[in-house]
Amino acid sequence: NAGVMQNPRHLVRRRGQEARLRCSPMKGHSHVYWYRQLPEEGLKFMVYLQKENIIDESGMPKERFSAEFPKEGPSILRIQQVVRGDSAAYFCASSPGTGGSTDTQYFGPGTRLTVL
Amino acid sequence: DAKTTQPPSMDCAEGRAANLPCNHSTISGNEYVYWYRQIHSQGPQYIIHGLKNNETNEMASLIITEDRKSSTLILPHATLRDTAVYYCTEFSYTTDKLIFGTGTRLQVFP
Repeated sequence: NAGVMQNPRHLVRRRGQEARLRCSPMKGHSHVYWYRQLPEEGLKFMVYLQKENIIDESGMPKERFSAEFPKEGPSILRIQQVVRGDSAAYFCASSPGTGGSTDTQYFGPGTRLTVL
Repeated sequence: DAKTTQPPSMDCAEGRAANLPCNHSTISGNEYVYWYRQIHSQGPQYIIHGLKNNETNEMASLIITEDRKSSTLILPHATLRDTAVYYCTEFSYTTDKLIFGTGTRLQVFP
């Protein structure tokens, strides 16, 4: 059973460009979460999505950031007009959405975004 | 903001048990304690979780105090490959959020 897939693993963008980060959840998982990790810091929750629905986006910056999880295909985290402060590792996690003690989040390898 | 507190770093000799403490004094009755670790800059790896009973799996044991205000992750025979940052997190199936603190950097030495 393949784990959570993220691509690209490394992404370099110039200030003002757009960054698109993709996440394919584990097979059978219907819930996706995005976290951001700044250098030397812990992970910070950004957004929680189910298929075609944003459940909780309380950790998302109000501007330039958006996320989606369409009915078909991977979840996308989109950052418009990137700035140097967006440089970070972005991790996606998925869970089966069963609720209860079996609903564990499993993480992907992350996308490292560098803004020049 | 993180609700768990952990020592910033610990050392452990290879082959010995590594005992990593975590305080979660404000944990709610329906919140689980989850442990993850992050090796270098890889994605966090799930280790174990529990509500109020002690738990054991192939990776580790989790001891939760009776009042649930603290817990200890035990790696019974640490190896060099266990060198990582270990995160203790609280998780509620109501909010579905994992709240990470700054973790404990465990260094296993030969």
